[in-house]
Amino acid sequence: NAGVTQTPKFQVLKTGQSMTLQCAQDMNHNSMYWYRQDPGMGLRLIYYSASEGTTDKGEVPNGYNVSRLNKREFSLRLESAAPSQTSVYFCASIPGAFNYGYTFGSGTRLTVV
Amino acid sequence: AQTVTQSQPEMSVQEAETVTLSCTYDTSESDYYLFWYKQPPSRQMILVIRQEAYKQQNATENRFSVNFQKAAKSFSLKISDSQLGDAAMYFCAYRSFDFQGAQKLVFGQGTRLTINP
Repeated sequence: NAGVTQTPKFQVLKTGQSMTLQCAQDMNHNSMYWYRQDPGMGLRLIYYSASEGTTDKGEVPNGYNVSRLNKREFSLRLESAAPSQTSVYFCASIPGAFNYGYTFGSGTRLTVV
Repeated sequence: AQTVTQSQPEMSVQEAETVTLSCTYDTSESDYYLFWYKQPPSRQMILVIRQEAYKQQNATENRFSVNFQKAAKSFSLKISDSQLGDAAMYFCAYRSFDFQGAQKLVFGQGTRLTINP
Protein backbone atom coordinates (compact mmCIF):
# COMPACT_ATOMS: atom_id res chain seq x y z
CA ASN A 1 0.00 0.00 0.00
CA ALA A 2 1.14 3.50 -0.80
CA GLY A 3 2.14 5.62 2.14
CA VAL A 4 4.90 6.45 4.59
CA THR A 5 6.91 3.53 5.99
CA GLN A 6 8.93 3.89 9.18
CA THR A 7 11.42 1.40 10.54
CA PRO A 8 11.82 0.15 13.15
CA LYS A 9 8.49 0.28 14.99
CA PHE A 10 10.05 -0.22 18.41
CA GLN A 11 13.60 0.23 19.71
CA VAL A 12 15.36 0.23 23.06
CA LEU A 13 18.73 1.94 23.26
CA LYS A 14 21.25 2.40 26.00
CA THR A 15 22.40 5.91 26.84
CA GLY A 16 25.19 6.92 24.48
CA GLN A 17 24.31 4.49 21.72
CA SER A 18 23.54 5.72 18.23
CA MET A 19 20.87 4.72 15.76
CA THR A 20 19.10 5.84 12.63
CA LEU A 21 15.35 5.92 12.14
CA GLN A 22 14.36 5.25 8.57
CA CYS A 23 11.47 6.81 6.68
CA ALA A 24 10.43 6.19 3.08
CA GLN A 25 7.43 7.35 1.06
CA ASP A 26 6.29 6.10 -2.33
CA MET A 27 3.89 8.91 -3.23
CA ASN A 28 6.43 11.14 -4.98
CA HIS A 29 5.99 13.77 -2.27
CA ASN A 30 8.41 16.68 -2.19
CA SER A 31 8.35 17.58 1.51
CA MET A 32 9.13 15.31 4.44
CA TYR A 33 9.12 15.84 8.21
CA TRP A 34 10.23 14.30 11.47
CA TYR A 35 8.16 14.91 14.62
CA ARG A 36 8.43 13.62 18.14
CA GLN A 37 5.40 13.07 20.36
CA ASP A 38 5.62 13.34 24.12
CA PRO A 39 2.76 13.20 26.66
CA GLY A 40 1.26 16.62 27.26
CA MET A 41 3.35 18.26 24.54
CA GLY A 42 1.72 17.18 21.32
CA LEU A 43 3.87 16.67 18.26
CA ARG A 44 6.94 18.85 17.92
CA LEU A 45 8.89 19.30 14.72
CA ILE A 46 12.49 18.09 14.82
CA TYR A 47 13.65 18.58 11.22
CA TYR A 48 12.05 18.92 7.84
CA SER A 49 13.00 18.75 4.20
CA ALA A 50 10.98 20.96 1.89
CA SER A 51 12.45 19.31 -1.18
CA GLU A 52 15.17 16.87 -2.17
CA GLY A 53 18.54 18.31 -1.26
CA THR A 54 17.33 20.65 1.48
CA THR A 55 16.91 20.20 5.23
CA ASP A 56 16.00 22.68 7.96
CA LYS A 57 15.75 22.68 11.72
CA GLY A 58 12.40 22.60 13.42
CA GLU A 59 11.45 23.38 17.00
CA VAL A 60 13.55 20.72 18.78
CA PRO A 61 16.60 19.78 16.62
CA ASN A 62 19.25 19.39 19.34
CA GLY A 63 20.70 15.89 19.53
CA TYR A 64 19.48 14.88 16.06
CA ASN A 65 20.74 14.90 12.49
CA VAL A 66 18.89 14.16 9.28
CA SER A 67 19.64 13.08 5.76
CA ARG A 68 17.40 13.46 2.72
CA LEU A 69 18.95 10.56 0.89
CA ASN A 70 16.75 10.98 -2.18
CA LYS A 71 13.22 12.08 -2.88
CA ARG A 72 11.78 8.97 -1.22
CA GLU A 73 13.88 8.68 1.92
CA PHE A 74 14.43 10.92 4.94
CA SER A 75 16.37 9.47 7.86
CA LEU A 76 16.77 10.71 11.44
CA ARG A 77 19.95 9.94 13.36
CA LEU A 78 20.61 10.03 17.08
CA GLU A 79 24.38 10.19 17.50
CA SER A 80 24.48 9.70 21.27
CA ALA A 81 21.08 8.79 22.67
CA ALA A 82 19.91 10.33 25.94
CA PRO A 83 16.93 9.39 28.14
CA SER A 84 15.32 12.73 27.18
CA GLN A 85 15.01 11.37 23.65
CA THR A 86 12.63 8.66 24.78
CA SER A 87 9.59 9.40 22.66
CA VAL A 88 7.41 8.32 19.78
CA TYR A 89 8.79 9.55 16.47
CA PHE A 90 6.64 10.22 13.43
CA CYS A 91 7.66 10.79 9.85
CA ALA A 92 5.27 12.64 7.55
CA SER A 93 5.17 13.85 3.95
CA ILE A 94 3.13 16.15 1.72
CA PRO A 95 3.15 16.64 -2.06
CA GLY A 96 4.40 20.22 -1.89
CA ALA A 97 4.13 23.68 -0.42
CA PHE A 98 0.58 24.30 -1.57
CA ASN A 99 -0.93 21.06 -0.33
CA TYR A 100 -2.30 20.27 3.10
CA GLY A 101 -2.78 16.50 2.81
CA TYR A 102 -0.14 15.24 5.22
CA THR A 103 0.49 11.49 5.27
CA PHE A 104 1.97 10.17 8.50
CA GLY A 105 3.89 7.01 9.17
CA SER A 106 2.82 4.68 11.97
CA GLY A 107 5.51 5.90 14.34
CA THR A 108 8.59 4.52 16.10
CA ARG A 109 8.50 4.08 19.85
CA LEU A 110 12.02 4.69 21.13
CA THR A 111 13.10 4.09 24.70
CA VAL A 112 16.52 5.19 25.93
CA VAL A 113 17.59 3.59 29.20
CA ALA B 1 6.16 32.03 15.78
CA GLN B 2 2.73 30.50 15.73
CA THR B 3 1.52 28.63 18.81
CA VAL B 4 -1.44 26.33 19.35
CA THR B 5 -2.98 25.71 22.76
CA GLN B 6 -5.38 22.99 23.81
CA SER B 7 -6.37 23.64 27.41
CA GLN B 8 -8.27 20.42 28.01
CA PRO B 9 -5.89 17.49 28.54
CA GLU B 10 -8.82 15.09 28.94
CA MET B 11 -12.52 15.08 28.13
CA SER B 12 -15.22 12.47 28.49
CA VAL B 13 -18.70 12.17 27.06
CA GLN B 14 -21.57 9.72 27.12
CA GLU B 15 -22.18 7.76 23.96
CA ALA B 16 -24.62 9.57 21.63
CA GLU B 17 -24.02 12.92 23.36
CA THR B 18 -22.22 15.96 21.96
CA VAL B 19 -18.78 17.12 23.04
CA THR B 20 -16.72 20.18 22.17
CA LEU B 21 -12.92 20.27 22.20
CA SER B 22 -11.26 23.66 22.51
CA CYS B 23 -8.28 25.09 20.66
CA THR B 24 -6.78 28.57 20.55
CA TYR B 25 -3.88 29.76 18.46
CA ASP B 26 -1.68 32.77 18.06
CA THR B 27 -0.66 34.17 14.69
CA SER B 28 -0.08 37.44 12.90
CA GLU B 29 -1.03 36.01 9.52
CA SER B 30 -4.36 36.74 7.90
CA ASP B 31 -4.66 33.67 5.69
CA TYR B 32 -3.93 30.20 7.03
CA TYR B 33 -5.23 26.67 7.49
CA LEU B 34 -6.31 24.98 10.71
CA PHE B 35 -6.78 21.25 11.23
CA TRP B 36 -8.06 18.70 13.69
CA TYR B 37 -6.31 15.32 13.72
CA LYS B 38 -7.46 12.15 15.47
CA GLN B 39 -4.99 9.65 16.90
CA PRO B 40 -6.55 6.37 18.03
CA PRO B 41 -4.57 3.84 20.11
CA SER B 42 -3.06 2.50 16.88
CA ARG B 43 -1.02 5.77 16.75
CA GLN B 44 -2.22 6.48 13.23
CA MET B 45 -2.75 10.21 12.54
CA ILE B 46 -6.09 10.79 10.81
CA LEU B 47 -7.20 14.13 9.41
CA VAL B 48 -10.68 14.87 10.75
CA ILE B 49 -11.45 18.32 9.40
CA ARG B 50 -9.77 21.43 8.04
CA GLN B 51 -10.68 25.11 7.97
CA GLU B 52 -9.36 27.80 5.66
CA ALA B 53 -9.14 31.12 7.47
CA TYR B 54 -10.47 33.18 4.58
CA LYS B 55 -13.70 31.16 4.59
CA GLN B 56 -16.23 32.47 7.08
CA GLN B 57 -18.36 29.35 6.89
CA ASN B 58 -17.52 26.74 9.50
CA ALA B 59 -16.32 23.43 8.09
CA THR B 60 -18.42 20.29 8.57
CA GLU B 61 -17.64 16.63 7.96
CA ASN B 62 -20.57 14.37 8.89
CA ARG B 63 -20.75 14.36 12.73
CA PHE B 64 -17.73 16.64 13.06
CA SER B 65 -17.96 20.40 12.82
CA VAL B 66 -15.89 23.36 13.89
CA ASN B 67 -16.63 26.72 15.43
CA PHE B 68 -14.06 29.03 13.89
CA GLN B 69 -13.80 32.45 15.52
CA LYS B 70 -11.06 34.26 13.61
CA ALA B 71 -11.02 37.43 15.69
CA ALA B 72 -10.80 35.44 18.90
CA LYS B 73 -8.30 33.01 17.34
CA SER B 74 -10.40 30.10 18.47
CA PHE B 75 -11.01 26.82 16.62
CA SER B 76 -13.15 24.32 18.54
CA LEU B 77 -14.23 20.87 17.35
CA LYS B 78 -17.76 19.63 17.99
CA ILE B 79 -18.50 15.93 17.79
CA SER B 80 -22.19 15.11 17.61
CA ASP B 81 -23.77 11.74 18.40
CA SER B 82 -20.49 10.50 19.93
CA GLN B 83 -19.59 6.91 19.14
CA LEU B 84 -17.23 4.49 20.86
CA GLY B 85 -14.95 4.68 17.84
CA ASP B 86 -14.44 8.41 18.46
CA ALA B 87 -12.33 7.65 21.54
CA ALA B 88 -8.85 8.93 20.73
CA MET B 89 -6.35 11.71 21.22
CA TYR B 90 -7.32 14.80 19.25
CA PHE B 91 -4.80 17.35 18.08
CA CYS B 92 -5.42 20.85 16.80
CA ALA B 93 -2.86 22.03 14.26
CA TYR B 94 -1.92 25.21 12.40
CA ARG B 95 -0.18 25.28 9.05
CA SER B 96 2.67 27.76 9.03
CA PHE B 97 5.36 28.67 6.49
CA ASP B 98 9.03 29.38 6.99
CA PHE B 99 10.91 32.25 5.38
CA GLN B 100 11.60 30.12 2.31
CA GLY B 101 7.95 29.25 1.82
CA ALA B 102 8.20 25.69 3.11
CA GLN B 103 5.20 24.66 5.15
CA LYS B 104 5.01 22.83 8.45
CA LEU B 105 2.36 21.92 10.98
CA VAL B 106 2.36 23.31 14.51
CA PHE B 107 0.41 21.09 16.92
CA GLY B 108 -1.37 21.68 20.18
CA GLN B 109 -0.78 19.53 23.23
CA GLY B 110 -3.70 17.22 22.51
CA THR B 111 -6.97 16.28 24.22
CA ARG B 112 -7.68 12.69 25.15
CA LEU B 113 -11.36 11.95 24.53
CA THR B 114 -13.07 9.08 26.33
CA ILE B 115 -16.50 7.83 25.29
CA ASN B 116 -18.57 6.29 28.09
CA PRO B 117 -21.06 3.60 26.98
